[in-house]
Amino acid sequence: DGGITQSPKYLFRKEGQNVTLSCEQNLNHDAMYWYRQDPGQGLRLIYYSQIVNDFQKGDIAEGYSVSREKKESFPLTVTSAQKNPTAFYLCASSIGPGQGTDTQYFGPGTRLTVL
Amino acid sequence: AQSVTQLGSHVSVSEGALVLLRCNYSSSVPPYLFWYVQYPNQGLQLLLKYTSAATLVKGINGFEAEFKKSETSFHLTKPSAHMSDAAEYFCAVTRFNDYKLSFGAGTTVTVRA
Repeated sequence: DGGITQSPKYLFRKEGQNVTLSCEQNLNHDAMYWYRQDPGQGLRLIYYSQIVNDFQKGDIAEGYSVSREKKESFPLTVTSAQKNPTAFYLCASSIGPGQGTDTQYFGPGTRLTVL
Repeated sequence: AQSVTQLGSHVSVSEGALVLLRCNYSSSVPPYLFWYVQYPNQGLQLLLKYTSAATLVKGINGFEAEFKKSETSFHLTKPSAHMSDAAEYFCAVTRFNDYKLSFGAGTTVTVRA
């Protein structure tokens, strides 16, 4: 069954701690994305990666970091520098650039709460 | 740059009534448009997409949307609402071969019995 998995579903963090959110896909997609969702604001792009070992900042990258060492994995680290990290985080993937209209498919999300 | 405006953050409809969700876009190039649905505490599911083929696009769960270039709109409709349609709906825009998907703020639909 192809799809995108995110773990954990719920995550609690103390102030000053770094946490890493997992995103794995078995769709053989080249491109992967991380979004942050806050109530009433839609989705905002944090980072994206179009190919292994390469990634680019999105609109709100400050306080976040990513890696793309494997095609199927794109973990997101929320660092202590992120001032307001409590949010719902969504990972997505797509076939990749140069493929025409590139539909993004989403994982189930991780809800991060800072205590 | 592309952007999307969804008119109305909340829509309430009676079961069996028409569902109409409004989306207007801004784009300097031919747009590609999407509607996604999100159920509470879940990810986004693709409802339908417009990719410059037919202007009337049919999607899953009985939804459809019509691309109107003259009005820069891509409104989502469903003739008869069902209780299971209660969710949040997002309109999004991109352009050919672009990575960036720009989302609207979302419209929450509630269905009254």
